[in-house]
Amino acid sequence: SQTIHQWPATLVQPVGSPLSLECTVEGTSNPNLYWYRQAAGRGLQLLFYSVGIGQISSEVPQNLSASRPQDRQFILSSKKLLLSDSGFYLCARGEGTSGEKLFFGSGTQLSVL
Amino acid sequence: EDQVTQSPEALRLQEGESSSLNCSYTVSGLRGLFWYRQDPGKGPEFLFTLYSAGEEKEKERLKATLTKKESFLHITAPKPEDSATYLCAVQAVIFGKGTRLHILP
Repeated sequence: SQTIHQWPATLVQPVGSPLSLECTVEGTSNPNLYWYRQAAGRGLQLLFYSVGIGQISSEVPQNLSASRPQDRQFILSSKKLLLSDSGFYLCARGEGTSGEKLFFGSGTQLSVL
Repeated sequence: EDQVTQSPEALRLQEGESSSLNCSYTVSGLRGLFWYRQDPGKGPEFLFTLYSAGEEKEKERLKATLTKKESFLHITAPKPEDSATYLCAVQAVIFGKGTRLHILP
């Protein structure tokens, strides 16, 4: 089976602190991987996507960055968190060739205080 | 610019009361319209993909339909366990804000 691991489930961080969220995928090779943020009252916002190791596309300019050091590992980072970075962060992998359906991890609820 | 608008934002129904959720979209060359279900505190779960106008997909009490401008998610005789937020997406990655559905027993 193909599984997406995301951790931690909940995170409380002070403003100005660094961030590292990790996502790992099992059971598939060379998946397309995505980071989304879901803030209260807003829809799912695509932050980054990756089609392979070291290949990152950014959809929204911000103080977040992403890296893909291994085929099945996708990392979301920040050097200094802002209050506006609070939200529910979701990692997803895509499946399909003509329009992808997405399979999501369980998410990380980040509160920046 | 590709856009997705879902309505209503929230819907409360009695158990057994059928209804429909709407997803209106604007896109250049549709490469798929997707429906997801999201339970509180969890990631969205894939339900359906529709590719062309006139296409329909069914799963238990849910049926998704597609026209050139919108998609409907029809819920027939819903049960309390159907309560969730239903999300619509186009081009795989552009999501609407969702419809929060609450089914009262």
